[in-house]
Amino acid sequence: DAGVIQSPRHEVTEMGQEVTLRCKPISGHDYLFWYRQTMMRGLELLIYFNNNVPIDDSGMPEDRFSAKMPNASFSTLKIQPSEPRDSAVYFCASSLGRGRTQYFGPGTRLTVL
Amino acid sequence: AQSVTQLDSQVPVFEEAPVELRCNYSSSVSVYLFWYVQYPNQGLQLLLKYLSGSTLVKGINGFEAEFNKSQTSFHLRKPSVHISDTAEYFCAVTNPINDYKLSFGAGTTVTVRA
Repeated sequence: DAGVIQSPRHEVTEMGQEVTLRCKPISGHDYLFWYRQTMMRGLELLIYFNNNVPIDDSGMPEDRFSAKMPNASFSTLKIQPSEPRDSAVYFCASSLGRGRTQYFGPGTRLTVL
Repeated sequence: AQSVTQLDSQVPVFEEAPVELRCNYSSSVSVYLFWYVQYPNQGLQLLLKYLSGSTLVKGINGFEAEFNKSQTSFHLRKPSVHISDTAEYFCAVTNPINDYKLSFGAGTTVTVRA
């Protein structure tokens, strides 16, 4: 199994630009999670999906952030417009069943200048 | 809602010495507990988990943890560490009945020195 795949691994952009992060969960997993990791706030859950449906987006910081899951094998997290305070490592994770082990991708390190 | 407190932010330890990382949780309902490890510039990897049954849980790389319900703790231990164990360790909790959000502790950085 290839595990959770995220792309790009690194992204450097300028303030005001649109950023799209991508995730491919483990095949057969029915839950997908997006997290953000910063030194100040640690690991924060942004949003999660069950069977491609967004269940809880209460962690999304503001309207500049949006996430979609058009099918079981692909999800995107979009930031538009990006700001320097969005600089962080963004992780995608997937699991089979609620409350079960979450498997994390390698993360996307985003730097907004 | 449940939460996790990792009592040590940094733990320096010599190679081949034992290490214990402390984790306390708060929850009014039954929980699942996890320890994850994050090596530099990598994602999180599951070390071990407690779902039910035996309170002593063995994981990968020689780590083990003990679930103590009365003390609401889930401390992680390894009897003899290696340089390669240098990493950040996260304790996490989830409520499998009502809320399957994984709540993470702030992390403990373990630095193993020769």
